[in-house]
Amino acid sequence: DADVTQTPRNRITKTGKRIMLECSQTKGHDRMYWYRQDPGLGLRLIYYSFDVKDINKGEISDGYSVSRQAQAKFSLSLESAIPNQTALYFCATSDFQTDSFSEQFFGPGTRLTVL
Amino acid sequence: GQNIDQPTEMTATEGAIVQINCTYQTSGFNGLFWYQQHAGEAPTFLSYNVLDGLEEKGRFSSFLSRSKGYSYLLLKELQMKDSASYLCAVRDGGYSTLTFGKGTMLLVSP
Repeated sequence: DADVTQTPRNRITKTGKRIMLECSQTKGHDRMYWYRQDPGLGLRLIYYSFDVKDINKGEISDGYSVSRQAQAKFSLSLESAIPNQTALYFCATSDFQTDSFSEQFFGPGTRLTVL
Repeated sequence: GQNIDQPTEMTATEGAIVQINCTYQTSGFNGLFWYQQHAGEAPTFLSYNVLDGLEEKGRFSSFLSRSKGYSYLLLKELQMKDSASYLCAVRDGGYSTLTFGKGTMLLVSP
């Protein structure tokens, strides 16, 4: 079974609709992240969370909100979707140990299209 | 802030060696990561450098010079399956977040 899962994997919606993307992990990691990836722009950080009560804005948080419902779950919402938010969205997790890489592990991605 | 530069595209031949460069200017630094990403898939971790020097891992090696703000990923004995995008990412001084470069698309031809 995958350690980091995302639902849905693909979503087509219309401008103005509210959309929620969900991420779950079984790795037991405290840290979770949401990124979007656009052709030619690379991965950009939207929000991140280091535990259930911790939410931090990333580079491009405008138009998005998040909820960390439990250690294993981190959801991303688009309150009123716009075509500019069409992208591939990735969730990632990591733990933090000063004596290890603490690399991020990525989910399979959600391809979102806003018409 | 962080600024990370890497070439957009590279091409190489099966069996050859290729070096993908990454330069960065950062306000803090706590390690540099390389990830591989096949089209439409999730990035997967390849290597990590926090001290100057070369880290070798099978066919892949990564080098870091902190004073020059420079890293490279070296891929030896290229295989067709190495065709992918290679992402350079710098971790900030507080161990909080990664900033990614835009990625280098490597095409390996027969």
